[in-house]
Parts: sequence; structure tokens; C-alpha cells
Amino acid sequence: DTAVSQTPKYLVTQMGNDKSIKCEQNLGHDTMYWYKQDSKKFLKIMFSYNNKELIINETVPNRFSPKSPDKAHLNLHINSLELGDSAVYFCASSLSAGGGGQPQHFGDGTRLSIL
Amino acid sequence: GQQLNQSPQSMFIQEGEDVSMNCTSSSIFNTWLWYKQDPGEGPVLLIALYKAGELTSNGRLTAQFGITRKDSFLNISASIPSDVGIYFCAGLNTNAGKSTFGDGTTLTVKP
Repeated sequence: DTAVSQTPKYLVTQMGNDKSIKCEQNLGHDTMYWYKQDSKKFLKIMFSYNNKELIINETVPNRFSPKSPDKAHLNLHINSLELGDSAVYFCASSLSAGGGGQPQHFGDGTRLSIL
Repeated sequence: GQQLNQSPQSMFIQEGEDVSMNCTSSSIFNTWLWYKQDPGEGPVLLIALYKAGELTSNGRLTAQFGITRKDSFLNISASIPSDVGIYFCAGLNTNAGKSTFGDGTTLTVKP
């Protein structure tokens, strides 16, 4: 069974469109994250939710809006997509938000390409 | 904010060789983690280190948590082609709410 699953795996769309990426974890974790991995493979955290509450919001354009309907799901909606949004977006989860040093489990990524 | 310097940025080695990579930070972490990312997949945890000075092995992989708590290294012995990928270190502090990731070491193993 997949622990952290995100859909879609590939997303190709036009500039200016609005799109969503979904993430679900079946590990019973309290904390979920969104990361962006650029073409240089650098991993940058975007958001973190702990039990449906936003706890980390890095410097991300407000075109990006995360939503956590429950602690097993964290979706990412992106408005007015721009060329620079092309990247791989990873969802991750951990048992808790850093307490006790909890490692993160990652999904397989969503490859977003903006035409 | 906290930053990690991970080196080397990339390595090209022959199958059978040993590999060493490290991460250093200007600030202290109380947990160090090492992940591997295979092409087309997400990072997967290899080793977690929770105590300064701790040396932990996972098969051919060995990682150490530096005594100063500002660095960690990962060694891979007798590399094989499936070791190819990107290796990330990550530092974490209790209740910080997030891990700080290094910029990755890309490993290529020539058969």
C-alpha cells in the first residue's frame, strides 16, 4: 500500500491556468508538507500543516493555496500558473512537526510543466 | 534561517569504490537525517541520527552525527550501480516544525 500518494504524477498545462495537486497519507501522521524541487534538484519547503492547521508558510506567492480538509489530506491549489512554476512538487508527512526529530515520508512527486 | 552546506555537489565513481559525503551547518541540529532520491521518485529515508557522536549503519551505508552537532557525514562502501541517485542530508530541531535540507549530492556509479 502506498504510504504518501499524490496525484497527478504529471501535469502539463498552459500559462495562466489554475490547477490542483492532491496528496493523501495513510500512515496516521499528524503533519504534512509541500516541497518544490527545481531543475537544480534543490528541495525547498513551501508549506506545513499539523493536524489541519497551517504551521509553516515559507515565502511563497499567494497564488499557491494549500488546503487540508483532514490530517490525512493536504492539497495544493495554484492560480494563474506562470512559467517559473514548472518544477516537481513533493508532498511529505511525518508523525509530528519536528518534535523528537521525526523523519518525513515523501510521495513520488507531481511533475508540473507550464507551456 | 538555518542553512546546510552539502558536499560534494556531484561525484562520478567506479563500481566498487567507497563514497563519502558530508553536511555542515553554522547552527546546531539535534537530529540529522540522510535521504536518497532515485530518478522519478521521492526522497526515501536511509539513516536517522539522534545523538551527537552517534554512528549508525544500514547495510553498506554508515552515517555519523558530529560531536559539535553542526555536521554529519555519510559513507557508502563498495558502491554498486543501484547506488546512483541524489543524496540529501537534512537537519532538524525539536519543535522547529520542519527539516532543513542540503542541496544534495548527485552520485553516478560507472560499472
